[in-house]
Amino acid sequence: QKEVEQNSGPLSVPEGAIASLNCTYSDRGSQSFFWYRQYSGKSPELIMFIYSNGDKEDGRFTAQLNKASQYVSLLIRDSQPSDSATYLCAVKGNTGFQKLVFGTGTRLLVSP
Amino acid sequence: DAGITQSPRYKITETGRQVTLMCHQTWSHSYMFWYRQDLGHGLRLIYYSAAADITDKGEVPDGYVVSRSKTENFPLTLESATRSQTSVYFCASSESGQLYFGPGTRLTVT
Repeated sequence: QKEVEQNSGPLSVPEGAIASLNCTYSDRGSQSFFWYRQYSGKSPELIMFIYSNGDKEDGRFTAQLNKASQYVSLLIRDSQPSDSATYLCAVKGNTGFQKLVFGTGTRLLVSP
Repeated sequence: DAGITQSPRYKITETGRQVTLMCHQTWSHSYMFWYRQDLGHGLRLIYYSAAADITDKGEVPDGYVVSRSKTENFPLTLESATRSQTSVYFCASSESGQLYFGPGTRLTVT
C-alpha cells in the first residue's frame, strides 16, 4: 500500500463547477497535510495546508481533513480553466523531521 | 532575487559521467531537500539536510551524493550517471513544514 494515494485522473469538470480532489494516507500518526498545485513543466506550489480535523477555507479553495478515516480532500469552487493542473497531496508524519510524502497527483481539467 | 534557484535548468549527459546539480536559497531555511519526479512515481525524496553539515538519505539515495557546507547551498551529485537517473530534479527548502520548490532541472542521461 502506498503511503499517500490519489486517483491519477484526469478529473474533468466544466467551468464554474466544484472540483473535488481526494487523498488517503496510511500513517495514522500523520500530523500535517498539504495540497500543492503543479502546472505542466513547472514546479509544485503550495496552495493549502491543514492540521486539524474539519474544513479550512481560503478563497475558492477548501481543504477537508478526517483523521479517523485517514482522508483529506481539496474542493475548488467556481473552477476556472486556469485551475487545470496536477494537484499533489502531501503528508507529514509525527516525527520532528520535516519530510513530506507525496501522492502521485490528480490531473484536473476544467473545460470552458 | 529572493527564493530558491537551481542550475542548470536542462542538462544532457552521457552514461558514466559525473553530474552536479546546484541549488541555492536566499531564505536561510534550515531544511533543504532533493526530490526527483518521474511519471507514475510522483515526487520521491533523494536526500535531505536539516542544517549545514547535516545530511541524510531519503527514499531513493543510491547513486547520488550531497553536501551542505553552507546553509544556502545544497548541491546534488550523480557520481556515475545511469539512464535510470533521467528525471526532473527539484530542490526545495522548508522552515515550518511547508516546502518551497525551485524551478527544477530536467536531466537526460543518454
